[in-house]
Amino acid sequence: DQQVKQNSPSLSVQEGRISILNCDYTNSMFDYFLWYKKYPAEGPTFLISISSIKDKNEDGRFTVFLNKSAKHLSLHIVPSQPGDSAVYFCAAFLDDKIIFGKGTRLHILP
Amino acid sequence: DVKVTQSSRYLVKRTGEKVFLECVQDMDHENMFWYRQDPGLGLRLIYFSYDVKMKEKGDIPEGYSVSREKKERFSLILESASTNQTSMYLCASRRTGNTEAFFGQGTRLTVV
Repeated sequence: DQQVKQNSPSLSVQEGRISILNCDYTNSMFDYFLWYKKYPAEGPTFLISISSIKDKNEDGRFTVFLNKSAKHLSLHIVPSQPGDSAVYFCAAFLDDKIIFGKGTRLHILP
Repeated sequence: DVKVTQSSRYLVKRTGEKVFLECVQDMDHENMFWYRQDPGLGLRLIYFSYDVKMKEKGDIPEGYSVSREKKERFSLILESASTNQTSMYLCASRRTGNTEAFFGQGTRLTVV
């Protein structure tokens, strides 16, 4: 049973526009949520996180929003740049484990 | 700079071979993880370790074992490699109390 769900396998966004990546989860006990970015043939790199007691966290062009009642979080990238083309993984932290979603491939179009 | 190093970028092994994937971290982290990444399935946790000689099964431990004799090193063992273990294997480490995990560059294993 998948606890962290990314229902969009891919997303294409024009350069300079906003990219919105979505994630749903089922376990209300998750402490933290994280977003990772992965390029081909490299390990994932940490982007941004949010505590379950907050509803927004911002870091430069990246903002994560958390809606606990809907068990939903989203990552906003503004403005989108060519180097943002990658696979983005949503993840949740609980009991020393990090549980990942299946990922969304983001294509930034010129 | 934090560093998680996996011993091989690419490996090709035969069915039935015993395979060792090695991971070393230089950050004195207590927690270490092995994931595999497959298309359409994301990152799935195989095993993790929260201390030397301590280990716990993740979501897909079947066909794998692990060893953590020293804090900095976490090994994944495929007891008898099978073709369905062809995958990208990713090692990660994390300091207790922090949420961020650091990943190695991955090992692309092909079992023929």
